[in-house]
Amino acid sequence: AQTVTQSQPEMSVQEAETVTLSCTYDTSESDYYLFWYKQPPSRQMILVIRQEAYKQQNATENRFSVNFQKAAKSFSLKISDSQLGDAAMYFCARWGSGTYKYIFGTGTRLKVLA
Amino acid sequence: GAGVSQTPSNKVTEKGKYVELRCDPISGHTALYWYRQSLGQGPEFLIYFQGTGAADDSGLPNDRFFAVRPEGSVSTLKIQRTERGDSAVYLCASSRGGGVAGNEQFFGPGTRLTVL
Repeated sequence: AQTVTQSQPEMSVQEAETVTLSCTYDTSESDYYLFWYKQPPSRQMILVIRQEAYKQQNATENRFSVNFQKAAKSFSLKISDSQLGDAAMYFCARWGSGTYKYIFGTGTRLKVLA
Repeated sequence: GAGVSQTPSNKVTEKGKYVELRCDPISGHTALYWYRQSLGQGPEFLIYFQGTGAADDSGLPNDRFFAVRPEGSVSTLKIQRTERGDSAVYLCASSRGGGVAGNEQFFGPGTRLTVL
């Protein structure tokens, strides 16, 4: 089965602190990409970070970084120095070369406490 | 336009009615996707267009759902004989080329469909 699992329905973090959101996936494809998307209440999905599966180096984008464990099929997102604007739903997604479509997880709601 | 736009932003209809949801992709993007997002869930793939043709419609739940993209730009998702279970947010996304590995998809704000 080609699935993406986010086991944390909701997470909270204090402003300026660090939080990690978990994601695991299942795939039979060798060529795939992993993404984290942010969805604020406006519903607009915004790309946070992406990781090519063939790259061993973890992707980073300013305060956002990933811990990609290919053998374990794990792809967690770390947000450093959390800001109030980071509060949103976060979706992990997988794109495979054999399917050309995203498979999304069920999402994690992140709350940032002032 | 600068981004993907979808109209209407909200649509309320009665059970059994026909609805059309429109998506305007980013200019020049050849790939267009439709997703359905139910409450508390992640987006679920419905259909993918490459140009004018539907390259993959495996996500359409049944034959009440149909989508077109006649000129390779604007797309319309059509739902016949709507049911209460069709209530969801319908998201559209476009990318430069669906066949290119890992191309970023740019999402519209979605249409919230409510079937009474």
